[in-house]
Amino acid sequence: AQSVTQLDSHVSVSEGTPVLLRCNYSSSYSPSLFWYVQHPNKGLQLLLKYTSAATLVKGINGFEAEFKKSETSFHLTKPSAHMSDAAEYFCVVKGPNNNDMRFGAGTRLTVKP
Amino acid sequence: ETGVTQTPRHLVMGMTNKKSLKCEQHLGHNAMYWYKQSAKKPLELMFVYSLEERVENNSVPSRFSPECPNSSHLFLHLHTLQPEDSALYLCASSQAGQGYNEQFFGPGTRLTVL
Repeated sequence: AQSVTQLDSHVSVSEGTPVLLRCNYSSSYSPSLFWYVQHPNKGLQLLLKYTSAATLVKGINGFEAEFKKSETSFHLTKPSAHMSDAAEYFCVVKGPNNNDMRFGAGTRLTVKP
Repeated sequence: ETGVTQTPRHLVMGMTNKKSLKCEQHLGHNAMYWYKQSAKKPLELMFVYSLEERVENNSVPSRFSPECPNSSHLFLHLHTLQPEDSALYLCASSQAGQGYNEQFFGPGTRLTVL
């Protein structure tokens, strides 16, 4: 069984300041983990994925995430927020089967000028 | 066209209407998915077609009926829907099989049931 918890439903930062979006997971398997972003009225776009290689994963648009097995966490970070980063972010844990993907409830990121 | 496309992008229908949502993927994948995205709720997986085998969520009402004529096309047939079915319906595709294959999403169809 798998589950994922996004610890914050809404995060607000100022432009140019760091971003931290938190995600904790639970999995019976060695999981694969993803972060997706969804801009208003758009589909989900893959930001990055962890697949049991390097624990620090770099994605698009300057985002990165670190897999910490001891903390069962996969937090998303970015050193400096941009206005275009304002969107909904989803943490996802996946098992070995195609229908075994669990989405977090999402974190809405607001970026203030 | 590239990626995953969905039509229509917006749909308004009455409770007695019959309509269909269409999804097409241009990525050479062999698995396709329907998701429902409602406000304040996590994404809900409705149906999966993988290597021509259908896997479904047993909690999906029978008024939703999927069809997958080939690995590139996926339909969601709708009939006698309820207002609570209003949501964003997302289609996704991936390469089936064991491992860490991510899903690629279409832009969604915004459905409103009156």
